[in-house]
Amino acid sequence: DIQMTQSPSTLSASVGDRVTITCRASQSISSWLAWYQQKPGKAPKLLIYKASSLESGVPSRFSGSGSGTEFTLTISSLQPDDFATYYCQQYNSFSKLTFGGGTKVEIK
Amino acid sequence: EVQLLESGGGLVQPGGSLRLSCAASGFTFSSYAMSWVRQAPGKGLEWVSTINASGGSTYYADSVKGRFTISRDNSKNTLYLQVNSLRAEDTAVYYCAKADYGDYSTFFDYWGQGTLVTVSS
Repeated sequence: DIQMTQSPSTLSASVGDRVTITCRASQSISSWLAWYQQKPGKAPKLLIYKASSLESGVPSRFSGSGSGTEFTLTISSLQPDDFATYYCQQYNSFSKLTFGGGTKVEIK
Repeated sequence: EVQLLESGGGLVQPGGSLRLSCAASGFTFSSYAMSWVRQAPGKGLEWVSTINASGGSTYYADSVKGRFTISRDNSKNTLYLQVNSLRAEDTAVYYCAKADYGDYSTFFDYWGQGTLVTVSS
């Protein structure tokens, strides 16, 4: 199975900060990576797919990059609504989908 | 508007069974693969199972293979998950999620609100 490792597990930041979250795959997944945002008690929300494609309706301050085994999610200017937990997910191996462990973005 | 509404969760004893349902609306259900994803209390997301659009192909996580069965009724726009031989570690919120493709699951563009399964004596 493909393992997905996110770092950091927790991130403290202030409104207006530029935030970067990293996701590493245990083997190459090309660009078959998605990012989700989840708030407490809510379902995850799709932000990015195919590593860098922004889902419709998602603010442009969110961006994704990378290919192969290393990927990043960047929030260019953190807003109050962005404090949440973020997950990456690989879909290169469609018969065994896997998520990263999550990164919680907290208020500094 | 796409809507996914799960039901069927509850409190069950170890070794027990439940059938989870997910009623879909707002899209052509029979054209898309569907999945179940779970989240244990305070933990991350875990993919559980996927079924393709026609229902002819199914995929399972190793942790549930042989105990859980995914199915769908395209005439009723409904996804199911039969969960048997439940263990304490199956306690989680179970989400149904829509893929953006028919033959297999890719990323999930829509999610339900989840249904809680608690396994405890």
